[in-house]
Amino acid sequence: EAEVAQSPRYKITEKSQAVAFWCDPISGHATLYWYRQILGQGPELLVQFQDESVVDDSQLPKDRFSAERLKGVDSTLKIQPAELGDSAMYLCASTASEGGETQYFGPGTRLLVL
Amino acid sequence: GDSVTQMEGPVTLSEEAFLTINCTYTATGYPSLFWYVQYPGEGLQLLLKATKADDKGSNKGFEATYRKETTSFHLEKGSVQVSDSAVYFCALIFNTGKLIFGQGTTLQVKP
Repeated sequence: EAEVAQSPRYKITEKSQAVAFWCDPISGHATLYWYRQILGQGPELLVQFQDESVVDDSQLPKDRFSAERLKGVDSTLKIQPAELGDSAMYLCASTASEGGETQYFGPGTRLLVL
Repeated sequence: GDSVTQMEGPVTLSEEAFLTINCTYTATGYPSLFWYVQYPGEGLQLLLKATKADDKGSNKGFEATYRKETTSFHLEKGSVQVSDSAVYFCALIFNTGKLIFGQGTTLQVKP
């Protein structure tokens, strides 16, 4: 069964450092999402891509976060500089098309900022 | 704005007990509704979904019915197992594709 891949699974960094997370969606899935899940809370959408275009990045802290999906396949989420409050699980999900369909989630990257 | 509210956890049950996890939503339209499950250290897995009023989603013995009149989507299971221990998330989605999640409810099932 096809799955969403994410790496690394775990990342420990010091504040003010740069970190990057990678996501490879299910093959053929045009829509890709990055969510942030703070411990004890539900995931919140950071950015949504349709192919290589950003559809929604209204909740992305653009002063320190950036996301790209250059060829409309895999995607990278970057934080620079990392802050203590960025410690969370970062989840990637994908769907075959926009709107209303099931989102398939990867295993996530757990980030700890010291 | 649109939101989802779930009952506070943790919910602790003995094996074979009946499970209900309450979920209510606030939305300006008619979203699709989902239950996702998250096992320790893992990502989210879709458990079940319903796309319109009065639809019943079901999977692995879990059920939930989309109630428009009460804006609810409560999760139920007749007999829980230890392996059902996880965090359960209720969520809604409109045709924009943005999932809005509740805060999650932790279920602990004891043998």
